[in-house]
Amino acid sequence: EVQLVETGGGLVQPGRSLKLSCVASGFTFNNYWMSWTRQAPGKGLEWVASITNSGGSTYYPDSVKGRFTISRDNAQNTLYLQMNSLRSEDTATYYCTRDTMGTLFAYWGQGTLVTVSS
Amino acid sequence: DVVLTQTPVSLSVTLGDQASISCRSSQSLEYSDGYTYLEWYLQKPGQSPQLLIYGVSNRFSGVPDRFIGSGSGTDFTLKISRVEPEDLGVYYCFQATHDPYTFGAGTKLELK
Repeated sequence: EVQLVETGGGLVQPGRSLKLSCVASGFTFNNYWMSWTRQAPGKGLEWVASITNSGGSTYYPDSVKGRFTISRDNAQNTLYLQMNSLRSEDTATYYCTRDTMGTLFAYWGQGTLVTVSS
Repeated sequence: DVVLTQTPVSLSVTLGDQASISCRSSQSLEYSDGYTYLEWYLQKPGQSPQLLIYGVSNRFSGVPDRFIGSGSGTDFTLKISRVEPEDLGVYYCFQATHDPYTFGAGTKLELK
């Protein structure tokens, strides 16, 4: 069974940094692209970042490019999201997702809440 | 950026009815390889989103055949025949043809 468990969320001040982790199990981690998607409270979904199975390429929308970094440790079956220069608009639940059959978000974790506030 | 416009914003149905949700894109979603990266997700109350449909009309593993995706180019539709209680929640369309990848704003399916 595919399992994705996110950790690392919490309350952080504007301008500070936070690193999220996602531990994967139930599949061969290094065979799949992984992504982060977020959802602000009461709002819709937003794609945040994606990384190829090898970790050799990464992709971001402009809203986080230059501030967020997605990475992975295939030996530890773990996906990361380093978030720097956090803003209030980054407040959201962050979901870790796995791809399959040409779709980036076939499997989702339960999410971890990040609150950016002074 | 590609804008996906979902209509209606909310939809009230009676159990057993058919429901239909539209997703219109500001650009064609057919990629240069001929594939159309249009997907549908359902987020049930208090849960993470779940994949229903990928590639316009392909049902993901375990998705009941009452969920039917169709469309091409810029116009797409998700039909749910015979709505059941577990179908209630917010439906999102999503495109991964153009960077940045974008979601529609969502359609809330609720009981009448």
